[in-house]
Amino acid sequence: SQQGEEDPQALSIQEGENATMNCSYKTSINNLQWYRQNSGRGLVHLILIRSNEREKHSGRLRVTLDTSKKSSSLLITASRAADTASYFCARGGSQGNLIFGKGTKLSVKP
Amino acid sequence: SAVISQKPSRDICQRGTSLTIQCQVDSQVTMMFWYRQQPGQSLTLIATANQGSEATYESGFVIDKFPISRPNLTFSTLTVSNMSPEDSSIYLCSVERATGVTDTQYFGPGTRLTVL
Repeated sequence: SQQGEEDPQALSIQEGENATMNCSYKTSINNLQWYRQNSGRGLVHLILIRSNEREKHSGRLRVTLDTSKKSSSLLITASRAADTASYFCARGGSQGNLIFGKGTKLSVKP
Repeated sequence: SAVISQKPSRDICQRGTSLTIQCQVDSQVTMMFWYRQQPGQSLTLIATANQGSEATYESGFVIDKFPISRPNLTFSTLTVSNMSPEDSSIYLCSVERATGVTDTQYFGPGTRLTVL
């Protein structure tokens, strides 16, 4: 399968805690993107990290990329109940499309 | 960002029938993509739709089952033909918007299809 692997598949934490999700991929990349999906609806783009970047921040989100290990992680700090969603990493495909990882289902309990 | 709408947002259909899903973008885009998300799964690309040419289908998806139209640069349709319960999924369209520094894809809200 071309899909990346993400772990954990599911994560349940308390509000205020940090959530870390990991993504691994198999081929070389130009960039890696992270998306969020609420309740099986459309995806929202969160952050893009390029292959020559190691770390990127956006608000409470921090993404790291290790191209030598072909892995990336998404950290959400001080989580909120509204962060409850599924999170997907994605890399570019040959058609200009995205190839998605299997996703992590995050549940943040108030 | 791009604003993308899809119709219908959800539908319940009978086995053997067909459903056409519409995707409308608020600006002209070259490439539109159709994805399927089966229950509890990730997104899988069905096909890439360029205006003025035949859609390009991924392995496992065929034009007879998922015909696609792309009549102009802001609109596309995906038809799910001769449906079976295995076609129950969320279908999403997306577009790529390169904005100089970043290349991101924008997704429609999805169409949740249930086939009985």
